Formats: sequence, C-alpha cells, structure tokens
Amino acid sequence: GAGVSQSPSNKVTEKGKDVELRCDPISGHTALYWYRQSLGQGLEFLIYFQGNSAPDKSGLPSDRFSAERTGGSVSTLTIQRTQQEDSAVYLCASSLGLAGGPMLNEQFFGPGTRLTVL
Amino acid sequence: GNSVTQMEGPVTLSEEAFLTINCTYTATGYPSLFWYVQYPGEGLQLLLKATKADDKGSNKGFEATYRKETTSFHLEKGSVQVSDSAVYFCALRPMDSSYKLIFGSGTRLLVRP
Repeated sequence: GAGVSQSPSNKVTEKGKDVELRCDPISGHTALYWYRQSLGQGLEFLIYFQGNSAPDKSGLPSDRFSAERTGGSVSTLTIQRTQQEDSAVYLCASSLGLAGGPMLNEQFFGPGTRLTVL
Repeated sequence: GNSVTQMEGPVTLSEEAFLTINCTYTATGYPSLFWYVQYPGEGLQLLLKATKADDKGSNKGFEATYRKETTSFHLEKGSVQVSDSAVYFCALRPMDSSYKLIFGSGTRLLVRP
C-alpha cells in the first residue's frame, strides 16, 4: 500500500515568490499534519487537520503560511512572499485520527519537500 | 512548556558497538514518549514508544525506558549495525493532546563497518 507522498521533493524559489507544497495522505487516514524541519532543528508543528473539524493552525509562524485540505484528502501548504528563513524541509504526516484513539494514533510521515529560498 | 532535549550528534560507532542516545523532556504530568528514525532519503518512521512511567518500548533491537524520576527516555541498542545509520528523533505527546508531537532536534548516528 502507498504511504504518504509529497511533491515536489525539492523546490528552489526566489525570495518574494509564492510556493505550494502538496501532500497525499494514506487512504483512509482522517488526520493530516504539516511540520517544518529547519537545519539543525527538530520538527516544528505547523498545522493539523482532523476530518471536517476546524484545523489547529497554532503552529503557523506567520500569516504568509496557509494550508488547505480539500475533500478530506489531499492537502496543500502555501507560503506567500517567501523569505530566506522559510528554507527548510516541510514534512507531512497522516494518521487514523480520533477514531483510532490517542494510543493508536500513530503518525506516518512522507519523505518531505526541501524548500530553498534564494 | 513542553520540550525535548537530545544529545547532539553525530554519534560515530563501529559495528557491534553499544549505542546510547540520551533524551530528556520537560512536560506536565505523564506525556507519551516516542523515538522516530529517519533513514537516508526516507520519511520518519516510528521506532518505539512508551505511554506510562516504567514502560519499556522496544523494536528492532532498540530499547528505551520511560523514567519519570529523571524525565528521560534514552535510546539503547546492544550491538549496532551499519544499517542503523540514520537520524533519531525523540518526541513527546503531551497529556492534554491526542495528536500534537513535540520533537527533539535529532541525533545523527553513523555506524562504520
């Protein structure tokens, strides 16, 4: 079975441009997460989607960052007017969600998108 | 607030050596604790977990024991292999969250033949 996939695997952009990063979660997973991994840093939580509930956006670092999840499946993370400090690996994860309960709510991670802002 | 601190790498070992990667945490109550592994070119994978004090998580020869008294969850393996070369992340899930994970900065392990 397919795991979590992300595209593109690498993205190089110029400062000030907008970028979109895509995540395809595991089929049947109702929960989806975005994380950021900056050089030498741990993973930083960005946003969490659970079914049709309002997303937890508490980790988004600024209003230049936004994310959507259409139809409860694919998600897009958009960064507007990119800055050099946005350079990082952006990781997506999915899990069974609340139906699995916290004990079974293992997050499965995609390979990430490496974003470089010049 | 919640946080995870793990030893800086890289950790370089010869094959069959004993491995310890230290992890300590700050959190209220009894968080759940995890070790994730990221092999080159792959996504993070859950390696093991423990959900209450004195629990021992184990998988693929790796072990970690949830020590409430020292707020630690150190990762150990008795005999490492070249294939264990990867980045290891310690993480916690706070008691009041069913999903949010707080990660350490990761420790790179290099195992030489």
